Amino acid sequence: SQKIEQNSEALNIQEGKTATLTCNYTNYSPAYLQWYRQDPGRGPVFLLLIRENEKEKRKERLKVTFDTTLKQSLFHITASQPADSATYLCALGDQAGTALIFGKGTTLSVSS
Amino acid sequence: GAVVSQHPSWVICKSGTSVKIECRSLDFQATTMFWYRQFPKQSLMLMATSNEGSKATYEQGVEKDKFLINHASLTLSTLTVTSAHPEDSSFYICSGVGDRISYNEQFFGPGTRLTVL
Repeated sequence: SQKIEQNSEALNIQEGKTATLTCNYTNYSPAYLQWYRQDPGRGPVFLLLIRENEKEKRKERLKVTFDTTLKQSLFHITASQPADSATYLCALGDQAGTALIFGKGTTLSVSS
Repeated sequence: GAVVSQHPSWVICKSGTSVKIECRSLDFQATTMFWYRQFPKQSLMLMATSNEGSKATYEQGVEKDKFLINHASLTLSTLTVTSAHPEDSSFYICSGVGDRISYNEQFFGPGTRLTVL
């Protein structure tokens, strides 16, 4: 069956450093991969989408890479700030407008 | 980005009662809405897919007679938890996709915390 793993349940870093989160998947060939931010008691907020034919996407301090051979995506937050502290979810999709398959998330804590 | 609202944001009910949760797309027409459930420290699990004007499609293991979904308009979908029990206590989240949104993006509501006593 399809499986998504976000390798760290929790990640603690210091302010100003780059946070790198990992998402690995098996038994799946997604057409695209998305990253979401979720704060406690709130719904996920869309951050970035990367398609299977794209290697890298950037948005301000965020960068996502997608390696379909390794079946892995890396999510980077550069110059991290305490306000970046949240849970980050990786989600996979195979068709436009279909439901997503989510990982459990990695909780990032950025200390000042 | 597009906005999805949910009401109520939290609800506490007695075992055996029914609870209705509303999901509204505020600035776009949601041709499809998804209902997810999230237990503490777990991932979002898809419960059902709802297309406007047609019956919802439920995921394996989700009782369609217990979790009633109605998607009567392009801006409103409802989830009714019938005869709720404590094991139904969870965080319920909806998302929508529609005509104004890039076809792969989903926008999520803020979630509804259900606690069944």
